[in-house]
Amino acid sequence: GQQVMQIPQYQHVQEGEDFTTYCNSSTTLSNIQWYKQRPGGHPVFLIQLVKSGEVKKQKRLTFQFGEAKKNSSLHITATQTTDVGTYFCAGNAGNMLTFGGGTRLMVKP
Amino acid sequence: ETGVTQTPRHLVMGMTNKKSLKCEQHLGHNAMYWYKQSAKKPLELMFVYSLEERVENNSVPSRFSPECPNSSHLFLHLHTLQPEDSALYLCASSQGLGGADTQYFGPGTRLTVL
Repeated sequence: GQQVMQIPQYQHVQEGEDFTTYCNSSTTLSNIQWYKQRPGGHPVFLIQLVKSGEVKKQKRLTFQFGEAKKNSSLHITATQTTDVGTYFCAGNAGNMLTFGGGTRLMVKP
Repeated sequence: ETGVTQTPRHLVMGMTNKKSLKCEQHLGHNAMYWYKQSAKKPLELMFVYSLEERVENNSVPSRFSPECPNSSHLFLHLHTLQPEDSALYLCASSQGLGGADTQYFGPGTRLTVL
């Protein structure tokens, strides 16, 4: 079955440093979604990417979808303490979303 | 507020108890999901319902029994659970069953099995 892998599993950064999480699928995806889960909270939808090579930005967050539509990344510029949480990618292959294992981001003030 | 509510928010039960988790969505969605979230498997899909029919069951033990009486409500009936079933149980809904639909999650039920 489809597998979606995320790396790294954990990341500690100093406030102000950049952060990137990577998502890789074993199969070509129709689209990919990103979610954020704050500590003690639940996953909340951030964005969806559909086109090959697509890049979308939300303030300090940059999302990319690979040319082959098998990988994606989320990059945060100049992290803030409000960025802490777990970031999940979710890939769509066969009309069903499969979530990655998530990357837990911790930011030291 | 995501429009998906779950009750109870916390539950402690013994291994011989029977309890139920409830999920309600106020978004007019047609698909609903149960996920288990633990340290070992961050988001593990358990069940998927579309228009009240089960369309996915990811090899979940029979001690977990889902029920979807209508498109707005989803239950997870629990009986004779094991301590390793302790986890956060998340309900989600989406407009349709397609993988391009955004999933909206409820706040979860934190379950502890003694």
